[in-house]
Amino acid sequence: SQTIHQWPATLVQPVGSPLSLECTVEGTSNPNLYWYRQAAGRGLQLLFYSVGIGQISSEVPQNLSASRPQDRQFILSSKKLLLSDSGFYLCAWSYGAGGRAYFGPGTRLTVL
Amino acid sequence: GIQVEQSPPDLILQEGANSTLRCNFSDSVNNLQWFHQNPWGQLINLFYIPSGTKQNGRLSATTVATERYSLLYISSSQTTDSGVYFCGIEGAQKLVFGQGTRLTINP
Repeated sequence: SQTIHQWPATLVQPVGSPLSLECTVEGTSNPNLYWYRQAAGRGLQLLFYSVGIGQISSEVPQNLSASRPQDRQFILSSKKLLLSDSGFYLCAWSYGAGGRAYFGPGTRLTVL
Repeated sequence: GIQVEQSPPDLILQEGANSTLRCNFSDSVNNLQWFHQNPWGQLINLFYIPSGTKQNGRLSATTVATERYSLLYISSSQTTDSGVYFCGIEGAQKLVFGQGTRLTINP
């Protein structure tokens, strides 16, 4: 069966520090991968999505970046965190375009 | 891009009541999915329903793609149904969501 992992589960970082969040999927190959952010309130904002290794599409211009170094690994990064980067970061995967989507447990990031 | 609107934004009900949540979308889509986010933040896929009607226990969903809307029905609500319900739309390789409906079921 397929499993999606995210770590860390919680993170407290000072403003200006770097960030690296990792997401890995097990039990499938060539998934579509997504990063979302859920700020205070409830909306899910699509940040990045990837349809293959090295292929990243950005939805929102900001100080975050994403990379997909391996088929089932998706990394969210920042060189310098802002207060506004605080939120709940969720990784998701689906079987290609149009497939059923599954979410990881999320990372709660607090920038102080 | 595709616009997704969910209504109502908030819904408070007593245990045992029935509810209907709505999702409207602005363009033709490849698929539509309903998710439940529990109070701990975990998102669970409830239905994958690009068209037609599906049922799973007390929950059912109907999508009318030609009229660009979907409905999620919850019958005989339980306190564990509380949380936020999201409608997700896939188009052009992207999966985008509405703002959700926050459902609170009081005992």
